[in-house]
Amino acid sequence: NAGVTQTPKFQVLKTGQSMTLQCAQDMNHNSMYWYRQDPGMGLRLIYYSASEGTTDKGEVPNGYNVSRLNKREFSLRLESAAPSQTSVYFCATLLGGSTDTQYFGPGTRLTVL
Amino acid sequence: GNSVTQMEGPVTLSEEAFLTINCTYTATGYPSLFWYVQYPGEGLQLLLKATKADDKGSNKGFEATYRKETTSFHLEKGSVQVSDSAVYFCALSEPPGGGADGLTFGKGTHLIIQP
Repeated sequence: NAGVTQTPKFQVLKTGQSMTLQCAQDMNHNSMYWYRQDPGMGLRLIYYSASEGTTDKGEVPNGYNVSRLNKREFSLRLESAAPSQTSVYFCATLLGGSTDTQYFGPGTRLTVL
Repeated sequence: GNSVTQMEGPVTLSEEAFLTINCTYTATGYPSLFWYVQYPGEGLQLLLKATKADDKGSNKGFEATYRKETTSFHLEKGSVQVSDSAVYFCALSEPPGGGADGLTFGKGTHLIIQP
């Protein structure tokens, strides 16, 4: 099993460009998350999805959109990238119910020039 | 809201030294507590967890005890190795798994072990 996979691993964008970060899981988990990691800030939640077709904003949703079209995949879209969105992005999954351990993907390192 | 405070690094130790990384938390209810580790260039891996007071989580020689009276979850290891060099994150979840709030993370502690 691959667990949680993310593509691409690295990306460089120019200000104003758009792109979609992909996350897929084969763990049959219900919940999925997008976080961003910035130096000295820890990880902060961007968006959350409890199940297929449902999404909720996290702590820092501005400038992002998400899509959960099926149970396996949860994508994060930047419509018009800004330098402030330079960060490392992590996807995570959670089985749900009373379970409490999130599993993380390897991350996407994004630079916006 | 919930918050996690952990000592910021970098923390530099010699091989075989004793390690303590402090972590304290603020939560409105009864959270689960976690330590995650991030090795260079990789994602976060769960190191250990505890879900109720006085529980001790342990893995790979690391230990942490859930202390509700002091709202702490300090990470310890008796003898560190060069391979333990990484960034360590303390985190909490409330409700279980974090729900719409996700996990609440500390800022991370960069640990460097010198031979």
